[in-house]
Formats: sequence, C-alpha cells, structure tokens
Amino acid sequence: AQKITQTQPGMFVQEKEAVTLDCTYDTSDQSYGLFWYKQPSSGEMIFLIYQGSYDEQNATEGRYSLNFQKARKSANLVISASQLGDSAMYFCAMREGLGNTDKLIFGTGTRLQVFP
Amino acid sequence: DSGVTQTPKHLITATGQRVTLRCSPRSGDLSVYWYQQSLDQGLQFLIQYYNGEERAKGNILERFSAQQFPDLHSELNLSSLELGDSALYFCASSARSYQETQYFGPGTRLLVL
Repeated sequence: AQKITQTQPGMFVQEKEAVTLDCTYDTSDQSYGLFWYKQPSSGEMIFLIYQGSYDEQNATEGRYSLNFQKARKSANLVISASQLGDSAMYFCAMREGLGNTDKLIFGTGTRLQVFP
Repeated sequence: DSGVTQTPKHLITATGQRVTLRCSPRSGDLSVYWYQQSLDQGLQFLIQYYNGEERAKGNILERFSAQQFPDLHSELNLSSLELGDSALYFCASSARSYQETQYFGPGTRLLVL
C-alpha cells in the first residue's frame, strides 16, 4: 500500500536559516506525484510545490525546493531563508496514481517553528 | 486565497443531527475532493467527484454522502453525527481528474457535542 512518512514531528529553525523537512514514500507505481502543503494555525491548506516521478530536475518555487531522491524514495522540502511567517504545519502528500483519480495520501506532518 | 470557497466556516451541532457542508470549486475546475482532518486519523480522503459523477471513494462512512451539482458546487452531508465526527473538513478542487494539483478551501470546522 502507498504510504507517506514524516518522521519529524517538530522542527525549530532560526530566522534567515535554511531548514529541511523530511518525507519518505512507498509506492509500487511508476507514475506518481509528490506534493507539499503548508497549514498555518488558521487552518487552511496552502499548496507549496509539486514533483512528478518522471521529472528529472528537482522542483523549485521561490524559497521552496524539493530534494527528490527517487532511489531512496524521499522528497524532502527545503525552505531557504526562513521567515517568521513560515511557522506552520507542513504536510507531504502523494498522489495515488490508480486509474484516473488524484486521491492524495498525506503524511502526519511536521510542525515548523521559526524563531528570531 | 486558493479560489475554493467553503461554507460554513464553523459548525457546532449535537450528536444524532445532520449537517450539510458546501463547497464551490475554483472557476473552471471540474473535480472536487473532500478530505477529513482529525487528531486521531490525520488527513484522510473521503470522496471525489468529477463533472457531476462520483470518481473515487475513500474511507467515507455510510452515514456520509456527497454530490456535485450541475454548477459544479458540491455538498457533503453528514448524518447521525457522533462525537468522533468532530473534525476539519476540507474541500479541494482541480482542473480535471488526473495529474492535477489540488487547491484546498479554508475548511469547515465541525464540532459535535
């Protein structure tokens, strides 16, 4: 069965430093997608970045980059130059590629706290 | 702002009651997904609709049902509510049904007393 594992329940980082949030996945599909979402304390889920299994380059979106290591089945999120507003829960998710549905499977999340 | 709207934002009700959660997808999106986020179960997929038809089902209880209307808005109906149904319910939408990013609404926080 497909599974997402986030082993860091909480992380601390100082403002302006970079931080890596870990995500490993398990799937037997050849075609899949990996996503990161941010959930601030207000509750909404904000899409950050996407990596397709066939993408040869690591995805980047502004200060966010995804360190995709296919052989290791890892998709770590790197946030550069952390800001206080980055304090939130971060969820890694995988698109389950069965048939023609985009059902997402989520990890348990990592709570990131950025301190001055 | 993702462009996905959900109403109401908060809902407090009693056990045994029935509630309806409403979702309007982003303009032009045909797919709607419902997810439940609870402390013990985390984020779980409930159900997906594409252009009015049910496309995929997850761990959705029989007491729960959903539909997508011709104008593409969707409703999630929760009946015979139990304390354990208290959760944050998200609606997400995507342009089509496959290989598309899902954009989430702000969620409806349901509290069953």
